Amino acid sequence: EAQVTQNPRYLITVTGKKLTVTCSQNMNHEYMSWYRQDPGLGLRQIYYSMNVEVTDKGDVPEGYKVSRKEKRNFPLILESPSPNQTSLYFCASSQRTGANEQFFGPGTRLTVL
Amino acid sequence: AQSVAQPEDQVNVAEGNPLTVKCTYSVSGNPYLFWYVQYPNRGLQFLLKYITGDNLVKGSYGFEAEFNKSQTSFHLKKPSALVSDSALYFCAARGGSARQLTFGSGTQLTVLP
Repeated sequence: EAQVTQNPRYLITVTGKKLTVTCSQNMNHEYMSWYRQDPGLGLRQIYYSMNVEVTDKGDVPEGYKVSRKEKRNFPLILESPSPNQTSLYFCASSQRTGANEQFFGPGTRLTVL
Repeated sequence: AQSVAQPEDQVNVAEGNPLTVKCTYSVSGNPYLFWYVQYPNRGLQFLLKYITGDNLVKGSYGFEAEFNKSQTSFHLKKPSALVSDSALYFCAARGGSARQLTFGSGTQLTVLP
């Protein structure tokens, strides 16, 4: 089954404790992206990757890091989480950009205390 | 910069009545336009997209969307709403060769029995 998986689905942590949210896709997609969803703000892009070893900042990259060492994986790293990073996070992938629709993971709900 | 506006946070409609969820966009170049739906505790699911050609695009679950170039709009429609259509709907746009997909803030659709 074609899918995007994220882990963990739920996470409660404390300020300053480094964490990683994993994302993996099995569709051989070149393009991957991370979004955060906040009430009234829709989805805002954090980082995206056009291919292996090619990453770029989205609209809200501060406080986040990513890496793309393999085509299928695109982890999101919060090295020192803060309460304002409490949000619902989605990973997505697509076959390149342009007219191709993105496939979304199930989401990770993060709470930073 | 790209932008997408969904002017209604909430749309209520009676079951069996037609529904419209509004979206306007601003992008550079030819637009690629998308509608996604999000059910509670789920990721976003692709509904339909406009690339080029016919202004009326048909998608999943009986939904369709009308592209209007002069009004830069891409409104989502369905002739007869179902209670099961109740969900959060997102419009998204990408212009020409842009690498990023920009989302609107979302519209909560409630279909009343």
